[in-house]
Amino acid sequence: DTAVSQTPKYLVTQMGNDKSIKCEQNLGHDTMYWYKQDSKKFLKIMFSYNNKELIINETVPNRFSPKSPDKAHLNLHINSLELGDSAVYFCASSLGQGSYEQYFGPGTRLTVT
Amino acid sequence: DQQVKQNSPSLSVQEGRISILNCDYTNSMFDYFLWYKKYPAEGPTFLISISSIKDKNEDGRFTVFLNKSAKHLSLHIVPSQPGDSAVYFCAASVDTGNQFYFGTGTSLTVIP
Repeated sequence: DTAVSQTPKYLVTQMGNDKSIKCEQNLGHDTMYWYKQDSKKFLKIMFSYNNKELIINETVPNRFSPKSPDKAHLNLHINSLELGDSAVYFCASSLGQGSYEQYFGPGTRLTVT
Repeated sequence: DQQVKQNSPSLSVQEGRISILNCDYTNSMFDYFLWYKKYPAEGPTFLISISSIKDKNEDGRFTVFLNKSAKHLSLHIVPSQPGDSAVYFCAASVDTGNQFYFGTGTSLTVIP
């Protein structure tokens, strides 16, 4: 009965590859997010979707493309992976715009070699 | 451009004593603040929040204090318990509530 789940938990891949991370929430929330936590532990928002619509798109390389097939899912596809993409990626959800509490998934540790 | 800062990367406290975690911010437009707690290999979990119209919010052993003029907030845990050992993140938002800016976290160790 995990509220926000992410797959895979760990991902090791080589530079230049394309990979996807999946996120699902079963809370009935309208808003979902992707965060990146870098080696300095800085947790920074990348994208936010509300009811499948993109509402926040921070300065992220266009190699990163989020996709929301429905409001319970927000996947992150990364093209042409680079060493600097190595980080922990967290998915989160909240009830909606104006709702402050976010529920986070367990994270996906991406290592690019 | 880090708008939310937690300058103490780690803190150790004896069980039963008070833990005080600090957070500073630079953007005077922030009006909602949250604390999250994170255990290893898990995502952050919401702990407590405060809006800018208050200077204190309490929930059990956890109290958050906000000093808007100093752009400073703190989380007090009393009494501290070993299960409180985790990384604590503060986060801030402007009133849209969608975009949160997180600090880098403070790792709290409560010594039995």
